[in-house]
Amino acid sequence: AQTVTQSQPEMSVQEAETVTLSCTYDTSESDYYLFWYKQPPSRQMILVIRQEAYKQQNATENRFSVNFQKAAKSFSLKISDSQLGDAAMYFCAYRPTLNTGTASKLTFGTGTRLQVTL
Amino acid sequence: NAGVTQTPKFQVLKTGQSMTLQCAQDMNHEYMSWYRQDPGMGLRLIHYSVGAGITDQGEVPNGYNVSRSTTEDFPLRLLSAAPSQTSVYFCASSLQMNTEAFFGQGTRLTVV
Repeated sequence: AQTVTQSQPEMSVQEAETVTLSCTYDTSESDYYLFWYKQPPSRQMILVIRQEAYKQQNATENRFSVNFQKAAKSFSLKISDSQLGDAAMYFCAYRPTLNTGTASKLTFGTGTRLQVTL
Repeated sequence: NAGVTQTPKFQVLKTGQSMTLQCAQDMNHEYMSWYRQDPGMGLRLIHYSVGAGITDQGEVPNGYNVSRSTTEDFPLRLLSAAPSQTSVYFCASSLQMNTEAFFGQGTRLTVV
């Protein structure tokens, strides 16, 4: 079974600084997707960034980028120039590309709560 | 641009009551699913559907029923509410099972 581990329950960053959230996962699959979702106090789950395992290039979306280390099964999220609006719970999630049954479900980590201070 | 719509946003039930959480999507997605979110546990899959008329159990299905009569709608039924079902429930949809999921705004359910 796949597992996703986020070892940092809480992180804090000053506005305009950079912060990195950690995520590791365990799988025997060779092809899969990895995601970071943001959950602000509104509860809405918002997709921040995704990475296909077969792509060596790290995904980037504006101020958000990932460091994907497939051999180490590590998928960290870097937020540059942090803004007050980045304060939220961040979830790392894994989904295999195998298109059958619950093997295709999203597996989530337990989340990292990010505080942004002035 | 509605996306995934869940109702209600909040609900309080007494133990033993039944209710239905509604979920509708307007993106013509085949795959829909229900998750529950509990503190310190991330999101866990309750039930999912790969298309109209087809549903299957996730990792925590006990106490819940689903049906999928149309592509758009995927309601979740609590048969006899228990305090252990106090949680935040999310409906999600995706084009296929292995693509990114779009989530509704969640329903906070309290069972007393």
